Amino acid sequence: GENVEQHPSTLSVQEGDSAVIKCTYSDSASNYFPWYKQELGKGPQLIIDIRSNVGEKKDQRIAVTLNKTAKHFSLHITETQPEDSAVYFCAAYHMTTDSWGKLQFGAGTQVVVTP
Amino acid sequence: DGGITQSPKYLFRKEGQNVTLSCEQNLNHDAMYWYRQDPGQGLRLIYYSQIVNDFQKGDIAEGYSVSREKKESFPLTVTSAQKNPTAFYLCASTWGARTEAFFGQGTRLTVV
Repeated sequence: GENVEQHPSTLSVQEGDSAVIKCTYSDSASNYFPWYKQELGKGPQLIIDIRSNVGEKKDQRIAVTLNKTAKHFSLHITETQPEDSAVYFCAAYHMTTDSWGKLQFGAGTQVVVTP
Repeated sequence: DGGITQSPKYLFRKEGQNVTLSCEQNLNHDAMYWYRQDPGQGLRLIYYSQIVNDFQKGDIAEGYSVSREKKESFPLTVTSAQKNPTAFYLCASTWGARTEAFFGQGTRLTVV
């Protein structure tokens, strides 16, 4: 089955610096890769996603890149702010004949932005 | 407002008791999911349901049970057979394949 690995598990950055989180996936059939942000005590929320027919996608200070050949994708946050502090999860859709909705998540990255 | 609601937010139970966590959505989503979150282990899929009266086991279904009698509701029962039930439980829903998953605020279950 699909296996998603996420690194690093924790990431401390100074305010204004960039943060990069990397994920690898195992199932070459996966074609949808969302990123979720989870603030303390809350459920995760989608912040950006990318499909396998696109190599890069940007939304203001966040961007995601996808390398299908290497089977890895990354989240980039530029000009980090204290409100970016949260746990970030990557995910990959595992395509099987009996399930189109089995979303597999990485282990998460705790991002801490220090002023 | 449309959304997905989990209740209660905090739940305490004695060891050996079954407990049911509620998940309701008014987004008209077909698919619903239950995840368990432990520190450092991300989100692990317990059960999911694509349509009413049908559900599938996820990666860690042992000790849990679900039902899907209505499109809007997907309750999760943590049974006494679950060896380590203390965790943060998240319910999610999606409209279809490869679409955004909406999560509830979670239920933190503590078994003492």
